[in-house]
Amino acid sequence: ETGVTQTPRHLVMGMTNKKSLKCEQHLGHNAMYWYKQSAKKPLELMFVYSLEERVENNSVPSRFSPECPNSSHLFLHLHTLQPEDSALYLCASSRGGLAGDTQYFGPGTRLTVL
Amino acid sequence: AQTVTQSQPEMSVQEAETVTLSCTYDTSESDYYLFWYKQPPSRQMILVIRQEAYKQQNATENRFSVNFQKAAKSFSLKISDSQLGDAAMYFCAFFYGGSQGNLIFGKGTKLSVKP
Repeated sequence: ETGVTQTPRHLVMGMTNKKSLKCEQHLGHNAMYWYKQSAKKPLELMFVYSLEERVENNSVPSRFSPECPNSSHLFLHLHTLQPEDSALYLCASSRGGLAGDTQYFGPGTRLTVL
Repeated sequence: AQTVTQSQPEMSVQEAETVTLSCTYDTSESDYYLFWYKQPPSRQMILVIRQEAYKQQNATENRFSVNFQKAAKSFSLKISDSQLGDAAMYFCAFFYGGSQGNLIFGKGTKLSVKP
C-alpha cells in the first residue's frame, strides 16, 4: 500500500475552515485523479491531471480547488465546504497516455464537514 | 451516456465456495475497457482484473475470472474457492474515450464470506 499515499487519513472541518488534502504517487505515473466516494453512490470523478495539466473537471463546485505542482503530487484545496461534502476522497494515478490504463488508488481521506 | 449497473448490493458466500458478481453496462462505444476493483473495509481500492473489449478471451487472475459477454454488455466476476480475505466491496468499472477518457463506476456489491 505504498504506491499512492494520501494525507491526512481523517479530517474534520467546519464550514468556514480552509484545509488541503495531499496525494503522492511513487509509481512514476503521469496522470493523477481525484474521486469522491459517498455512501450508496458510485465513485464520482472530480478532476484529472495529465502531465501536470488539468484535462477534466466534472462540474465540481469552486469550493474544491485542485493543484498539481508536479507529476508526483496532487492537492485538493478545500474552503467553505458544506455538510454534504462529507465523503471519502480518493486519489488515483495511472501511467497516462494509453487508453484503459489501470488506475492505482490511495487509501483515501475521510472528510467530515460539521 | 455510459452507465454501469451492479444489481446486487450485497452478496454472501461460504468459505471455499464459488460466487458470481454481476455487472452490466450501457454504451455505444466499440472500444473500451472493463475493470473489477476490490475495496476491503478501511483499506484502499485495488485492481482485481482488467478486460479489453476487443479481446474475446475472458480475463483470469488466479481465483478470479470474468464472463465477458460483449453483445449482452455483461461483465460478471467469478470468485472461486472464496477466502475470508475476499470480503470487500467490489466495484465494476468501465473506461472509454481514449487516453484522456473516463472511468465510470457502478455502485458496488458488498461481499461477505462466511467461515
